[in-house]
Amino acid sequence: EADIYQTPRYLVIGTGKKITLECSQTMGHDKMYWYQQDPGMELHLIHYSYGVNSTEKGDLSSESTVSRIRTEHFPLTLESARPSHTSQYLCATGSSGRTDTQYFGPGTRLTVL
Amino acid sequence: KNEVEQSPQNLTAQEGEFITINCSYSVGISALHWLQQHPGGGIVSLFMLSSGKKKHGRLIATINIQEKHSSLHITASHPRDSAVYICAVSFGSNYKLTFGKGTLLTVNP
Repeated sequence: EADIYQTPRYLVIGTGKKITLECSQTMGHDKMYWYQQDPGMELHLIHYSYGVNSTEKGDLSSESTVSRIRTEHFPLTLESARPSHTSQYLCATGSSGRTDTQYFGPGTRLTVL
Repeated sequence: KNEVEQSPQNLTAQEGEFITINCSYSVGISALHWLQQHPGGGIVSLFMLSSGKKKHGRLIATINIQEKHSSLHITASHPRDSAVYICAVSFGSNYKLTFGKGTLLTVNP
């Protein structure tokens, strides 16, 4: 079972601030994902990575950026937060090999005022 | 683009009832996933299916590849089963998932 940590769990911040949402995992999984989920809506993939120094944009356009310098970390950054960024952000990992199973972190609930 | 449709959107049941949640998708897939999301947001993967049927405790998942349809069944439902149940699919060698909107299940004591 994967151990995935996201910090902070809750963040309320003003417009224009730069924020970084942290995601870390202890299982050595190659694949990592960031999802955005608005209340009552489906998850949308905004970024993914299949390994160190590999990042791709997901299906939903996002103003955020990600980096994957180490296997265990996949931080997401918003350079200038706006109220439209208010949402829940979920990080997930997938193990190596031909499997699609994903393991989810607890999420970060972001509110931009 | 693969569309994933779930029904019903909301489901209320009495404790002990047999529950069925349905998922249909529009194009061929490599695997279908059932996930559970509790209030507060945490998501747990319940099943990954590419054919047939899987069972884990009181949960049973089936898939019919020809009909592009899957069902999640819960036997002897309990209030702790209350959650959002999400269907997701992946296709080809693409490890990305496409998600349904979820079914909100409430089991009353």
